[in-house]
Amino acid sequence: DAMVIQNPRYQVTQFGKPVTLSCSQTLNHNVMYWYQQKSSQAPKLLFHYYDKDFNNEADTPDNFQSRRPNTSFCFLDIRSPGLGDAAMYLCATSSLGEDGYTFGSGTRLTVV
Amino acid sequence: EDQVTQSPEALRLQEGESSSLNCSYTVSGLRGLFWYRQDPGKGPEFLFTLYSAGEEKEKERLKATLTKKESFLHITAPKPEDSATYLCAVPFSGAGNMLTFGGGTRLMVKP
Repeated sequence: DAMVIQNPRYQVTQFGKPVTLSCSQTLNHNVMYWYQQKSSQAPKLLFHYYDKDFNNEADTPDNFQSRRPNTSFCFLDIRSPGLGDAAMYLCATSSLGEDGYTFGSGTRLTVV
Repeated sequence: EDQVTQSPEALRLQEGESSSLNCSYTVSGLRGLFWYRQDPGKGPEFLFTLYSAGEEKEKERLKATLTKKESFLHITAPKPEDSATYLCAVPFSGAGNMLTFGGGTRLMVKP
C-alpha cells in the first residue's frame, strides 16, 4: 500500500546529542511536511518542501534542520536536543493542487 | 491571523449517547476544512474534507457539517472504539497547502 513511513517509532536521545528522524513516502507526492506535536496540543508546522524548495516557518528554532535528498525521503535533524524538544514528530505529504495530507505514524522523541 | 478553535477540549460519553464536536475558524477565503482522527501514539488519520457552507459528509457513525464560521462533527450512537482525539484543520490563507490545526477534542466513550 502507498503510504508514509516514519522511523523509528520511538527515539530516546541524550540532552544535547544530535538526532535524526526519517520519513519516506511511496505516494510520489511533491510536498512534504514536518510537524511537532506536544502532549495534548495541536500539531505545529516546522518545515515544508515543495519538491526540493525548502520553506522554514518563522518561529521554527535554528536547532531544527531538514533535508530532502529526493522525492521519497525527508529527514529532520535536531542538532542539540533540549528537554523541551520532547514531542511527537509527524511527517506528512500532499500533492500540490490536491487537498488533504497523508500522515505517517509519527516518531515519539524522548530527551533524557 | 488564521485561527482554528475546537470545543470542548474533552468529552466523555456513554456508549450510544450521541453528541457533537465543534470547530470554529477565522481564515480569509476558506479553501476547505479537514477532519482527522488521532489515536494515542499515532499520526492523524484523514476523515473528511468540506469545501462549502451547507456541505455534509458521512462515514459510519460520523457526520461532518460546515457553515461559514464553524464545522460540527456529529457522532451518532458512539461506540468505545470511537474514542480518540478529533482534529480539525484549515489551509493557511494565501497559496499553499499548509494546514492550521485546532487543539483537538479528546473523546472518550465508555461502555
